[in-house]
Amino acid sequence: GDSVTQMEGPVTLSEEAFLTINCTYTATGYPSLFWYVQYPGEGLQLLLKATKADDKGSNKGFEATYRKETTSFHLEKGSVQVSDSAVYFCALSKGNRDDKIIFGKGTRLHILP
Amino acid sequence: GAVVSQHPSRVICKSGTSVKIECRSLDFQATTMFWYRQFPKQSLMLMATSNEGSKATYEQGVEKDKFLINHASLTLSTLTVTSAHPEDSSFYICSASAGRTDTQYFGPGTRLTVL
Repeated sequence: GDSVTQMEGPVTLSEEAFLTINCTYTATGYPSLFWYVQYPGEGLQLLLKATKADDKGSNKGFEATYRKETTSFHLEKGSVQVSDSAVYFCALSKGNRDDKIIFGKGTRLHILP
Repeated sequence: GAVVSQHPSRVICKSGTSVKIECRSLDFQATTMFWYRQFPKQSLMLMATSNEGSKATYEQGVEKDKFLINHASLTLSTLTVTSAHPEDSSFYICSASAGRTDTQYFGPGTRLTVL
């Protein structure tokens, strides 16, 4: 079945470091891909998304490119801040009638000042 | 952005009792609400999808008689865990969308502990 695999955390970086969180997916058809972020004590928020191959989603300095050839959607940021500390979830949706979202396990990110 | 609240944020109950969790969309009308369950260090797993005024659609393996979902209005859905047991202890998260293809907005979650 469809699934999402993302790198396990926690990931600990110093402020201003470069961030990559790997995400790969398995799905039939042409899913939409998402990154959600969950800050401490808050609900999941959509960070960015891409709906077709080679699309790049971007928001708040984060970027991810939909790579169909490698079935990947890696999250990157050039210079992280302490305020980026959160749990990041990679996810996919088939966009079918059910609109089901399939999540990865989440990656906890700690940014040290 | 749109806000979804959940109440309570945390609940502890005795085995055999029932617990109700509320999910509210505060500033939009949610035609569709989703209920997820998250075990420690695991993914969010969709339990059921509910549309206002109709019966919920449950995912395979989710007991509909144990997890009762009501979506009586466009701003409120409830999940009742009936005759809760320790294995039902988990983090329950709801989300809401204004339509089948709209963005889902997530609540902060409810941590249920069954003693």
